[in-house]
Amino acid sequence: DAMVIQNPRYQVTQFGKPVTLSCSQTLNHNVMYWYQQKSSQAPKLLFHYYDKDFNNEADTPDNFQSRRPNTSFCFLDIRSPGLGDAAMYLCATDWGPPDNEQFFGPGTRLTVL
Amino acid sequence: QKEVEQNSGPLSVPEGAIASLNCTYSDRGSQSFFWYRQYSGKSPELIMSIYSNGDKEDGRFTAQLNKASQYVSLLIRDSQPSDSATYLCAVRGGGKLIFGQGTELSVKP
Repeated sequence: DAMVIQNPRYQVTQFGKPVTLSCSQTLNHNVMYWYQQKSSQAPKLLFHYYDKDFNNEADTPDNFQSRRPNTSFCFLDIRSPGLGDAAMYLCATDWGPPDNEQFFGPGTRLTVL
Repeated sequence: QKEVEQNSGPLSVPEGAIASLNCTYSDRGSQSFFWYRQYSGKSPELIMSIYSNGDKEDGRFTAQLNKASQYVSLLIRDSQPSDSATYLCAVRGGGKLIFGQGTELSVKP
């Protein structure tokens, strides 16, 4: 089945220790997104790649970076995690606006100690 | 600021009843509308998409869109306890998805 895969599903890191989350897709979609979702809140878009074109949201902290080495893979790097970065990180993909359906991976739950 | 508004709930309905979830949006240029279901601790799952005014039915789910009123709704017929989740409304106007805060639905046996 075509799908969006995220690894790891659970990640524990220490305050200030860099962490990388990964996302892969078999849907061959042009666009890959990273969202942050905290408890009882809507997903918050951090950035997205349209093919190789990187698009950062204006309020995404510099602490968050992303890489997309090829169509299938996308990475989220958190350079110095703070306690406030503990959240569910969601990867999603689609064919791009205006009307294509967006599909989410299972998410990575990040804990910062 | 483009906004999507939902009642946060919780909305509680008895098993077998119809659950009605509502959503309004501010961007009149929005073109596509989606409903996601999110179980606690899980990721959002797309359950309905709608692009034209009127109703769209898929099994027990019906999405309704009224662009003039900037209103989209989701009806769940014959609600089951397994439908208990948070339902996210998402709207797209040519760019990114804008999510509402979600409505928590509880279906009581």
